[in-house]
Amino acid sequence: SAVISQKPSRDICQRGTSLTIQCQVDSQVTMMFWYRQQPGQSLTLIATANQGSEATYESGFVIDKFPISRPNLTFSTLTVSNMSPEDSSIYLCSVSFSSGLGYTFGSGTRLTVV
Amino acid sequence: SQQGEEDPQALSIQEGENATMNCSYKTSINNLQWYRQNSGRGLVHLILIRSNEREKHSGRLRVTLDTSKKSSSLLITASRAADTASYFCATVLIQGAQKLVFGQGTRLTINP
Repeated sequence: SAVISQKPSRDICQRGTSLTIQCQVDSQVTMMFWYRQQPGQSLTLIATANQGSEATYESGFVIDKFPISRPNLTFSTLTVSNMSPEDSSIYLCSVSFSSGLGYTFGSGTRLTVV
Repeated sequence: SQQGEEDPQALSIQEGENATMNCSYKTSINNLQWYRQNSGRGLVHLILIRSNEREKHSGRLRVTLDTSKKSSSLLITASRAADTASYFCATVLIQGAQKLVFGQGTRLTINP
């Protein structure tokens, strides 16, 4: 399975600012995903990060708010833009080698917006 | 949107007892997976069961899948304090991108 380095592990940010979260994988992976986990809730998929093209966003998530980059098969970033306290959540990166089978998760970024 | 509903939402048992968590889903799946999450951080993959399988075992874990009822259960036998965590089922749909869609989760507490 892959080893994922997700940074930062936590941050406290002022409302109106933006934070970029990085996800680095130790090997090339087929698929990369970004999830949000609001306090006390389950994981909700934000988008699938596509290598070399625009990310595929789930209903309720838009590129202007959550721009995603994936310049190669081992790295992706998620930016949380123009933050408000409602964006306070854990954001997790996930990767998959074999389509639909093995998934590995990063340790998450705990974001608090004040 | 969430694919699965899990019950119970919270479960508290004594150490040594068995814990059973249930998951239901709405659409046809390729496979169903169970994950554990400690203290709201990264998820640990526990077990995967394919749509053509009915039961799987891994150590103290037993997972069943009933595709006719669109439901699955996770049984943890001889529970330990270290099993205290949140448990999530997640499905991979037959159609569309190979993404995981999570259920709402069960918060399991094992009392020593």
